Amino acid sequence: SQQGEEDPQALSIQEGENATMNCSYKTSINNLQWYRQNSGRGLVHLILIRSNEREKHSGRLRVTLDTSKKSSSLLITASRAADTASYFCATVTNAGKSTFGDGTTLTVKP
Amino acid sequence: DAGVIQSPRHEVTEMGQEVTLRCKPISGHDYLFWYRQTMMRGLELLIYFNNNVPIDDSGMPEDRFSAKMPNASFSTLKIQPSEPRDSAVYFCASSFQGSPLHFGNGTRLTVT
Repeated sequence: SQQGEEDPQALSIQEGENATMNCSYKTSINNLQWYRQNSGRGLVHLILIRSNEREKHSGRLRVTLDTSKKSSSLLITASRAADTASYFCATVTNAGKSTFGDGTTLTVKP
Repeated sequence: DAGVIQSPRHEVTEMGQEVTLRCKPISGHDYLFWYRQTMMRGLELLIYFNNNVPIDDSGMPEDRFSAKMPNASFSTLKIQPSEPRDSAVYFCASSFQGSPLHFGNGTRLTVT
């Protein structure tokens, strides 16, 4: 990808389990964002974490950021079948440049 | 607000033809981005504008690609001449001062 990598590339879990996705990046950032994409649609913003923050929560989502390791993780707790989608991290520089990782495809089996 | 509007939704064209993709950002947004998504290369940033001025076009594949933003409410991405390897989904997104991006539904381009 242009900015970094996400792992795993694909993740399959049972409904009710937690899902963790990781994102690594290469350059200095202003903030990091996570997006979700359903098949055939545009990306939808989930959560934003600034470079001076270490953890953020929003509903069933928990995001961490380690700027020393240039990495972030997204945790979805108590997953549902409707969470099935692709998830992308995006890094935003101070100049506003937003570049995306390769994405993780999450399948939640009912 | 209607969100980011892209047209057309689908475009099928023959190799060598000119293709023009259009985008209307959300009113008041000052950043506009063009991305290309394929299975092989993922989501690539092609170019982005701030206040209608191109800031970074380092992702534009080659001279066959050009993008313009003549005013705050309209942008185009043009491919001339098109080639089969340009087949992809092209997304436009807009944002306000580094806030989260709002994406359009994309244009699926097929070049035969």
